[in-house]
Amino acid sequence: NAGVTQTPKFQVLKTGQSMTLQCAQDMNHEYMSWYRQDPGMGLRLIHYSVGAGITDQGEVPNGYNVSRSTTEDFPLRLLSAAPSQTSVYFCASSWTSGANTGELFFGEGSRLTVL
Amino acid sequence: SQQGEEDPQALSIQEGENATMNCSYKTSINNLQWYRQNSGRGLVHLILIRSNEREKHSGRLRVTLDTSKKSSSLLITASRAADTASYFCATRRGSGYALNFGKGTSLLVTP
Repeated sequence: NAGVTQTPKFQVLKTGQSMTLQCAQDMNHEYMSWYRQDPGMGLRLIHYSVGAGITDQGEVPNGYNVSRSTTEDFPLRLLSAAPSQTSVYFCASSWTSGANTGELFFGEGSRLTVL
Repeated sequence: SQQGEEDPQALSIQEGENATMNCSYKTSINNLQWYRQNSGRGLVHLILIRSNEREKHSGRLRVTLDTSKKSSSLLITASRAADTASYFCATRRGSGYALNFGKGTSLLVTP
C-alpha cells in the first residue's frame, strides 16, 4: 500500500525560483493538507482541502498556492522561493465523515533548501 | 497560532520507566489526537480521544482528556528504546476540518 507519496524528497532552490511539491494519496481521502516543520516550531498548517475544487488557508499560507483538481493529488506551489521557506514539508490526508476528520496519514516529507 | 502545546519540551528516561507528556489547548475541541515522529520520518497516528471521552487505552498507551482544564496527557508505560521519538498532540477546532499541532515533546529512552 502506497499511502501518501511526496516528491521530491530533497530539493535545493535559489531565491526567486519556483517549484511544485507533489502529493498523492491512494486511500480515497477527501481531506488533504500541507504542513511545514521548522526546528522548535512544530508543524504549522499551510493549506488544506476537503475535496476536489475546495481549498482553504491554514496558519501560514503566504508564499504558497494549492489546487485540488482530483481526489488523489494536492500539489503545493512555491511561486518565488525565499530563504524563509527552507523547511521540511509534510503532506497528510484523512477521511471525513460529516463534520469529522479522522486520523491523518503523513507522507515521508520533502526537505527544501532555498539559497 | 498553534492550538496545542506539549509539556515538557524534552524528556529523558530509562527503559522500563513510564513516560508522561502533557498537552494544553486554548479553545473548545471536537477531538484530540496524539502522534509520534521518529527522527527524519513522517508522523504516525497513535490515538484519538473525543471530547466526550475521559480516558482511552491502546496497548502501552493511556490518554486522558480533561476538557474543563483544556488539557490531555499521554502515558507510555514500560518504555522501550524504540519509543524514542517526538510526540505531538493535535486538535481540531470546533466544526473546522483542519488539525493544528503543538511543538512536540522529544522523548529519549536509554537502555
